[in-house]
Amino acid sequence: NAGVTQTPKFRVLKTGQSMTLLCAQDMNHEYMYWYRQDPGMGLRLIHYSVGEGTTAKGEVPDGYNVSRLKKQNFLLGLESAAPSQTSVYFCASSYSGGSLYYGYTFGSGTRLTVV
Amino acid sequence: SQQGEEDPQALSIQEGENATMNCSYKTSINNLQWYRQNSGRGLVHLILIRSNEREKHSGRLRVTLDTSKKSSSLLITASRAADTASYFCATVLNAGGTSYGKLTFGQGTILTVHP
Repeated sequence: NAGVTQTPKFRVLKTGQSMTLLCAQDMNHEYMYWYRQDPGMGLRLIHYSVGEGTTAKGEVPDGYNVSRLKKQNFLLGLESAAPSQTSVYFCASSYSGGSLYYGYTFGSGTRLTVV
Repeated sequence: SQQGEEDPQALSIQEGENATMNCSYKTSINNLQWYRQNSGRGLVHLILIRSNEREKHSGRLRVTLDTSKKSSSLLITASRAADTASYFCATVLNAGGTSYGKLTFGQGTILTVHP
């Protein structure tokens, strides 16, 4: 049972380049989330999804887009990367009802550097 | 602004000692959760305590919640070197009639347990 898998684990981008981060979960969770973690800032929610085909904005959505075409996958896209998007990105998932009832299962993270 | 704030920011103890971390928050919550993050890894859910609960145990972990003081504490008894990690509290605000509650993380406490 793999849980939540994130790819890639590391990536260096040049300013203006685009990329997609992939999150896959095999626990049949309805809800999925993308967070970024920065020193001194804790984790901040970027976007989330409460089901296949649905997405919603979190606390810091600007500069990111997401898609949830399949229940098990949640993609995070950066259309034109900026140095301010240098961060560690975490994907998480939970059962329906989200944090009102359950803890989240996190992936191991993607460390992104934009130069 | 951060909903949950941990105290202390860093804690260093000897193996076998107890470790206590505190979390304060600002507004009414549905529940409060604690997570552990080992260096370079994703977060792992430890425990969830609801607003109508005052204390909860899980193995060597004891969590208390005082809603009148808007604070929680995480106690790790008989600590081990393997407990070395960052510990985060996360709060879920009351979401009214919706089924989704936003999980907001604090900045974490870095715990170091010396063998």
